[in-house]
Amino acid sequence: AQSVTQLGSHVSVSEGALVLLRCNYSSSVPPYLFWYVQYPNQGLQLLLKYTTGATLVKGINGFEAEFKKSETSFHLTKPSAHMSDAAEYFCAVIKAAGNKLTFGGGTRVLVKP
Amino acid sequence: DTAVSQTPKYLVTQMGNDKSIKCEQNLGHDTMYWYKQDSKKFLKIMFSYNNKELIINETVPNRFSPKSPDKAHLNLHINSLELGDSAVYFCASSLGEGATDTQYFGPGTRLTVL
Repeated sequence: AQSVTQLGSHVSVSEGALVLLRCNYSSSVPPYLFWYVQYPNQGLQLLLKYTTGATLVKGINGFEAEFKKSETSFHLTKPSAHMSDAAEYFCAVIKAAGNKLTFGGGTRVLVKP
Repeated sequence: DTAVSQTPKYLVTQMGNDKSIKCEQNLGHDTMYWYKQDSKKFLKIMFSYNNKELIINETVPNRFSPKSPDKAHLNLHINSLELGDSAVYFCASSLGEGATDTQYFGPGTRLTVL
């Protein structure tokens, strides 16, 4: 069975500082990987996804993530945090042959002025 | 022009009641899903339908019954509501059932069982 671990349920960053959210997965075969963002009282929105090809994936709102097979990781970064980045972020995986998204526990990002 | 919509947005009800949550997507997608997000924000898939046929059923109590009258709609009916059913329920849809098909989520329905 595959699982997803997000290190840190809360991350606090200053406006303009680097945002780094960690995601590790366990799977017998490399899955497809996703980052979703959930703004308060809203549904989830896809930030970016990795399926095949280039391991550095760029997403919306200046976010990017890098798939590292050797580390079974898919960490999410943004060089400069903005107040509007305050939200809950979820890492998720899907097996290549399926469509069942398995989510991590989420990381809440707080942005300090 | 909302892509995936759910009604109602909030639902407060007593234990033992039966309630339904409706979901509609206007994206022309073939596949729809129900997810449950508990109070700790943990998200878990409940059901998936492809072209009105059930393809995923994740050990959900049979008090929960999804119904897909057409591929644009996937409703969730819950019988004999329990306190533990309190959660936010998200509907989602994707073009197909492939792993690379992005899932688009609705705004959620917050269910509170008293």
